[in-house]
Amino acid sequence: DAGITQSPRHKVTETGTPVTLRCHQTENHRYMYWYRQDPGHGLRLIHYSYGVKDTDKGEVSDGYSVSRSKTEDFLLTLESATSSQTSVYFCAISGVDEQYFGPGTRLTVT
Amino acid sequence: AQSVTQLGSHVSVSEGALVLLRCNYSSSVPPYLFWYVQYPNQGLQLLLKYTSAATLVKGINGFEAEFKKSETSFHLTKPSAHMSDAAEYFCAVTSRSGGSNYKLTFGKGTLLTVNP
Repeated sequence: DAGITQSPRHKVTETGTPVTLRCHQTENHRYMYWYRQDPGHGLRLIHYSYGVKDTDKGEVSDGYSVSRSKTEDFLLTLESATSSQTSVYFCAISGVDEQYFGPGTRLTVT
Repeated sequence: AQSVTQLGSHVSVSEGALVLLRCNYSSSVPPYLFWYVQYPNQGLQLLLKYTSAATLVKGINGFEAEFKKSETSFHLTKPSAHMSDAAEYFCAVTSRSGGSNYKLTFGKGTLLTVNP
């Protein structure tokens, strides 16, 4: 298994509060990604990073920000969580010819 | 722009029967194509991938898929279903450009049920 961990694995938070999810890799890969998974939608790309301090938006980036200060860590922040951001969040890294996915974070916004 | 259409959000087969999960893609550049499997409450595991080599691709657990450019399809098959194949399956596409930057576009998934 690729060395990808996500924390926390589960979180319940209230509407309007900030939330930060962490993705950590031990593979030293350049590219890292955040996706969200929702029933009937598959996985959708939120943001991705192509190096330290280099990030770009995906197709569902509104309401999310990211940061990457070290190669191994990619943080996803919900500045003010809303109920529509209740989802399962997956981090991924790109290896040779494929992506490897982390175990996911289940976020519930009440 | 890229897109993936998975025909059938839910497929049900009997144990021992053929499994066929359909995937059609749209891409303006030559694609890389992937099938992932997700077991309940787990992450995504790569089943197989097409990256411009052989058009018939064999993956893990007895699955295979054939890239058909003329039909823009990448259907997943397995000759004989096992109970352990019950899971959700996702088809994904990305372009070959950008080095190892694989921004994947996923289909909405197909839930496979295997009946005894």
